[in-house]
Amino acid sequence: GAGVSQTPSNKVTEKGKYVELRCDPISGHTALYWYRQSLGQGPEFLIYFQGTGAADDSGLPNDRFFAVRPEGSVSTLKIQRTERGDSAVYLCASSPGQKETQYFGPGTRLLVL
Amino acid sequence: AQSVTQPDIHITVSEGASLELRCNYSYGATPYLFWYVQSPGQGLQLLLKYFSGDTLVQGIKGFEAEFKRSQSSFNLRKPSVHWSDAAEYFCAVATNNNAGNMLTFGGGTRLMVKP
Repeated sequence: GAGVSQTPSNKVTEKGKYVELRCDPISGHTALYWYRQSLGQGPEFLIYFQGTGAADDSGLPNDRFFAVRPEGSVSTLKIQRTERGDSAVYLCASSPGQKETQYFGPGTRLLVL
Repeated sequence: AQSVTQPDIHITVSEGASLELRCNYSYGATPYLFWYVQSPGQGLQLLLKYFSGDTLVQGIKGFEAEFKRSQSSFNLRKPSVHWSDAAEYFCAVATNNNAGNMLTFGGGTRLMVKP
């Protein structure tokens, strides 16, 4: 079946602009996670959704970052007033339940100029 | 807070040689442990996981890992490496709380395979 998909695969933007990154989880998966992977590092947790609600957003670095999952399926990560330090690969993962294996998408590579 | 250390940033092995990638974790309770592999331009693929039970777990592509509580380790092994195994490998630990399974990753080990 289809895996986790993320769009766009690459995004180049200018400092100060607003961006949205989309994640389509595996059908039926109730849990959805966002991670950020900077160059040469392991992924770092940003936010976790169980259904429509953000159950844990402790990894969001500041209030410029926000994520939604209004219908409990697709999620959008939103970054306001982008900074060069936001450049990274943003990974999305989904799992069938809150304590089960996470399946990752290919990521969105964000470059802020 | 939990943490994961992968002491080796780069490892080079010859094709057909054995492989061991090290992983040490810090976590107060019984951990859920994972190994993921990431090829260039690809997402993270799960190799294997440990939740409980037998401390030697088998994964895909001929990989195995052993959980050693006394050493806080979860090292990944493969008896004979293939050129297609060249990739970056990440060890991760999951919290085991009511808020789900947030993963904490190590910094990764990049594996290069010599012909």
